[in-house]
Amino acid sequence: ETGVTQTPRHLVMGMTNKKSLKCEQHLGHNAMYWYKQSAKKPLELMFVYNFKEQTENNSVPSRFSPECPNSSHLFLHLHTLQPEDSALYLCASSQVGGREVYNEQFFGPGTRLTVL
Amino acid sequence: AQTVTQSQPEMSVQEAETVTLSCTYDTSESDYYLFWYKQPPSRQMILVIRQEAYKQQNATENRFSVNFQKAAKSFSLKISDSQLGDAAMYFCAYSDDKIIFGKGTRLHILP
Repeated sequence: ETGVTQTPRHLVMGMTNKKSLKCEQHLGHNAMYWYKQSAKKPLELMFVYNFKEQTENNSVPSRFSPECPNSSHLFLHLHTLQPEDSALYLCASSQVGGREVYNEQFFGPGTRLTVL
Repeated sequence: AQTVTQSQPEMSVQEAETVTLSCTYDTSESDYYLFWYKQPPSRQMILVIRQEAYKQQNATENRFSVNFQKAAKSFSLKISDSQLGDAAMYFCAYSDDKIIFGKGTRLHILP
Protein backbone atom coordinates (compact mmCIF):
# COMPACT_ATOMS: atom_id res chain seq x y z
CA GLU A 1 0.00 0.00 0.00
CA THR A 2 1.28 3.44 -0.80
CA GLY A 3 0.20 6.97 0.00
CA VAL A 4 -3.11 7.58 1.72
CA THR A 5 -5.87 4.99 1.60
CA GLN A 6 -9.50 5.34 2.61
CA THR A 7 -12.22 2.79 3.23
CA PRO A 8 -14.94 2.35 2.27
CA ARG A 9 -14.90 4.15 -1.06
CA HIS A 10 -18.69 4.40 -1.10
CA LEU A 11 -21.15 4.36 1.78
CA VAL A 12 -24.91 4.65 1.89
CA MET A 13 -26.51 5.00 5.30
CA GLY A 14 -29.77 5.92 6.91
CA MET A 15 -30.11 8.77 9.34
CA THR A 16 -30.27 6.43 12.31
CA ASN A 17 -27.22 4.36 11.39
CA LYS A 18 -23.78 4.48 12.94
CA LYS A 19 -20.81 4.00 10.63
CA SER A 20 -17.12 4.81 10.54
CA LEU A 21 -14.76 6.01 7.85
CA LYS A 22 -11.17 4.86 7.96
CA CYS A 23 -8.03 6.51 6.70
CA GLU A 24 -4.49 5.16 6.73
CA GLN A 25 -1.32 6.89 5.62
CA HIS A 26 1.87 5.06 4.69
CA LEU A 27 4.05 8.14 4.31
CA GLY A 28 5.41 8.55 7.83
CA HIS A 29 3.65 11.89 8.26
CA ASN A 30 2.81 13.38 11.64
CA ALA A 31 -0.44 15.18 10.79
CA MET A 32 -3.75 13.97 9.40
CA TYR A 33 -6.86 15.81 8.26
CA TRP A 34 -10.53 15.27 7.43
CA TYR A 35 -12.14 17.38 4.71
CA LYS A 36 -15.70 17.56 3.41
CA GLN A 37 -16.18 18.25 -0.29
CA SER A 38 -19.67 18.91 -1.61
CA ALA A 39 -21.02 20.30 -4.85
CA LYS A 40 -22.13 23.51 -3.19
CA LYS A 41 -19.05 24.33 -1.13
CA PRO A 42 -15.31 24.25 -1.62
CA LEU A 43 -13.15 21.95 0.40
CA GLU A 44 -14.02 22.39 4.06
CA LEU A 45 -11.42 21.43 6.62
CA MET A 46 -13.17 19.55 9.42
CA PHE A 47 -10.51 18.21 11.77
CA VAL A 48 -6.75 18.30 12.15
CA TYR A 49 -4.63 15.92 14.16
CA ASN A 50 -1.04 16.85 14.85
CA PHE A 51 1.06 14.16 16.51
CA LYS A 52 -2.21 12.38 17.35
CA GLU A 53 -3.59 15.42 19.16
CA GLN A 54 -6.61 17.20 17.78
CA THR A 55 -5.50 20.73 17.04
CA GLU A 56 -8.42 21.99 15.02
CA ASN A 57 -12.16 21.47 14.94
CA ASN A 58 -13.83 23.83 12.55
CA SER A 59 -17.26 24.04 14.16
CA VAL A 60 -18.17 20.56 13.02
CA PRO A 61 -21.45 19.14 14.40
CA SER A 62 -21.07 16.55 17.12
CA ARG A 63 -22.63 13.88 14.91
CA PHE A 64 -19.13 13.68 13.39
CA SER A 65 -16.60 12.26 15.84
CA PRO A 66 -12.94 11.85 14.88
CA GLU A 67 -10.48 9.41 16.36
CA CYS A 68 -6.72 9.21 15.84
CA PRO A 69 -5.28 6.18 17.66
CA ASN A 70 -1.81 6.68 16.17
CA SER A 71 -0.08 8.86 13.60
CA SER A 72 -0.92 6.47 10.74
CA HIS A 73 -4.64 5.95 11.30
CA LEU A 74 -7.58 8.31 11.39
CA PHE A 75 -11.26 7.52 11.79
CA LEU A 76 -14.41 9.52 11.37
CA HIS A 77 -17.32 8.08 13.33
CA LEU A 78 -20.73 9.00 12.00
CA HIS A 79 -24.07 8.85 13.80
CA THR A 80 -27.53 10.31 13.23
CA LEU A 81 -26.42 12.09 10.09
CA GLN A 82 -28.61 14.34 7.97
CA PRO A 83 -29.14 14.20 4.19
CA GLU A 84 -27.15 17.44 3.84
CA ASP A 85 -24.13 15.55 5.18
CA SER A 86 -23.97 13.64 1.89
CA ALA A 87 -20.62 14.54 0.35
CA LEU A 88 -17.16 13.30 -0.52
CA TYR A 89 -15.06 12.96 2.62
CA LEU A 90 -11.37 13.30 2.00
CA CYS A 91 -8.55 12.34 4.28
CA ALA A 92 -5.11 13.87 3.94
CA SER A 93 -1.76 13.74 5.66
CA SER A 94 1.28 15.96 5.79
CA GLN A 95 4.54 16.44 7.58
CA VAL A 96 4.33 19.37 9.96
CA GLY A 97 7.63 21.02 10.79
CA GLY A 98 8.74 23.71 13.16
CA ARG A 99 7.37 26.61 11.12
CA GLU A 100 3.79 25.71 11.99
CA VAL A 101 2.85 26.25 8.38
CA TYR A 102 0.69 23.70 6.69
CA ASN A 103 2.85 21.91 4.20
CA GLU A 104 1.93 19.88 1.16
CA GLN A 105 -1.06 17.67 1.78
CA PHE A 106 -1.33 14.16 0.38
CA PHE A 107 -4.93 13.18 -0.19
CA GLY A 108 -6.71 9.86 -0.15
CA PRO A 109 -9.27 8.91 -2.82
CA GLY A 110 -12.19 9.84 -0.59
CA THR A 111 -15.34 8.17 0.66
CA ARG A 112 -18.51 9.07 -1.22
CA LEU A 113 -21.16 9.24 1.51
CA THR A 114 -24.88 9.26 0.81
CA VAL A 115 -27.30 9.78 3.69
CA LEU A 116 -30.85 8.72 2.98
CA ALA B 1 -9.47 36.47 7.75
CA GLN B 2 -7.65 34.81 4.92
CA THR B 3 -9.62 34.12 1.75
CA VAL B 4 -8.88 32.47 -1.58
CA THR B 5 -10.78 33.41 -4.72
CA GLN B 6 -10.87 31.54 -7.99
CA SER B 7 -13.00 33.68 -10.26
CA GLN B 8 -13.27 31.19 -13.14
CA PRO B 9 -15.64 28.30 -12.29
CA GLU B 10 -14.96 26.65 -15.68
CA MET B 11 -12.51 27.05 -18.51
CA SER B 12 -11.82 25.31 -21.79
CA VAL B 13 -8.65 25.12 -23.82
CA GLN B 14 -7.71 23.46 -27.07
CA GLU B 15 -5.29 20.57 -26.80
CA ALA B 16 -1.66 21.74 -27.15
CA GLU B 17 -2.59 25.31 -26.32
CA THR B 18 -1.72 27.30 -23.20
CA VAL B 19 -4.21 28.21 -20.48
CA THR B 20 -3.94 30.34 -17.34
CA LEU B 21 -6.05 29.77 -14.23
CA SER B 22 -6.37 32.72 -11.89
CA CYS B 23 -6.26 32.81 -8.11
CA THR B 24 -6.21 35.72 -5.72
CA TYR B 25 -5.95 35.62 -1.97
CA ASP B 26 -6.12 37.93 0.95
CA THR B 27 -3.86 37.81 3.97
CA SER B 28 -1.95 40.06 6.33
CA GLU B 29 0.74 37.44 6.87
CA SER B 30 4.15 37.59 5.21
CA ASP B 31 5.12 33.93 5.57
CA TYR B 32 2.87 31.39 3.90
CA TYR B 33 2.62 28.75 1.21
CA LEU B 34 0.50 28.70 -1.91
CA PHE B 35 -0.49 25.54 -3.75
CA TRP B 36 -2.27 24.39 -6.85
CA TYR B 37 -3.95 20.99 -6.54
CA LYS B 38 -5.46 18.94 -9.34
CA GLN B 39 -8.46 16.64 -8.88
CA PRO B 40 -9.18 14.54 -12.00
CA PRO B 41 -12.68 13.07 -12.34
CA SER B 42 -13.11 10.26 -9.82
CA ARG B 43 -9.44 10.31 -8.95
CA GLN B 44 -7.28 11.47 -6.09
CA MET B 45 -6.36 15.07 -5.51
CA ILE B 46 -2.67 15.62 -6.15
CA LEU B 47 -0.32 18.53 -5.74
CA VAL B 48 0.61 20.27 -8.98
CA ILE B 49 2.91 23.01 -7.75
CA ARG B 50 3.91 24.84 -4.59
CA GLN B 51 5.21 28.34 -3.95
CA GLU B 52 6.75 29.67 -0.74
CA ALA B 53 5.91 33.32 -0.19
CA TYR B 54 9.44 34.35 0.71
CA LYS B 55 10.78 33.07 -2.64
CA GLN B 56 10.55 35.62 -5.40
CA GLN B 57 11.24 33.15 -8.17
CA ASN B 58 8.14 31.63 -9.72
CA ALA B 59 7.83 27.88 -9.25
CA THR B 60 7.80 25.61 -12.29
CA GLU B 61 7.10 21.90 -12.74
CA ASN B 62 7.49 20.73 -16.33
CA ARG B 63 4.51 22.17 -18.25
CA PHE B 64 3.11 23.89 -15.14
CA SER B 65 4.29 27.26 -13.92
CA VAL B 66 2.96 29.98 -11.69
CA ASN B 67 2.93 33.74 -11.82
CA PHE B 68 3.28 34.77 -8.19
CA GLN B 69 2.66 38.44 -7.54
CA LYS B 70 3.01 38.88 -3.80
CA ALA B 71 2.10 42.56 -3.65
CA ALA B 72 -0.99 41.97 -5.75
CA LYS B 73 -1.77 38.75 -3.85
CA SER B 74 -2.14 36.89 -7.09
CA PHE B 75 -1.09 33.30 -7.83
CA SER B 76 -2.05 32.15 -11.32
CA LEU B 77 -1.29 28.75 -12.83
CA LYS B 78 -0.15 28.44 -16.44
CA ILE B 79 -0.44 25.11 -18.21
CA SER B 80 1.55 24.91 -21.43
CA ASP B 81 0.97 22.40 -24.22
CA SER B 82 -2.33 21.27 -22.67
CA GLN B 83 -3.00 17.54 -22.77
CA LEU B 84 -6.22 15.57 -22.44
CA GLY B 85 -4.99 14.28 -19.09
CA ASP B 86 -4.94 17.82 -17.74
CA ALA B 87 -8.75 17.85 -17.63
CA ALA B 88 -9.62 18.18 -13.96
CA MET B 89 -10.79 20.42 -11.18
CA TYR B 90 -7.97 22.72 -10.09
CA PHE B 91 -7.90 24.13 -6.58
CA CYS B 92 -5.78 27.01 -5.39
CA ALA B 93 -4.87 26.85 -1.71
CA TYR B 94 -3.27 29.15 0.83
CA SER B 95 -1.65 28.02 4.05
CA ASP B 96 -0.02 29.52 7.09
CA ASP B 97 -1.19 28.08 10.40
CA LYS B 98 -4.41 27.13 8.64
CA ILE B 99 -5.17 25.97 5.13
CA ILE B 100 -7.85 27.50 2.91
CA PHE B 101 -8.95 26.28 -0.52
CA GLY B 102 -10.59 28.20 -3.33
CA LYS B 103 -13.81 26.96 -4.90
CA GLY B 104 -11.98 25.43 -7.83
CA THR B 105 -11.85 25.84 -11.58
CA ARG B 106 -13.01 23.01 -13.81
CA LEU B 107 -10.73 22.76 -16.81
CA HIS B 108 -11.90 21.11 -20.04
CA ILE B 109 -9.44 20.11 -22.74
CA LEU B 110 -10.87 20.19 -26.26
CA PRO B 111 -9.37 17.65 -28.66
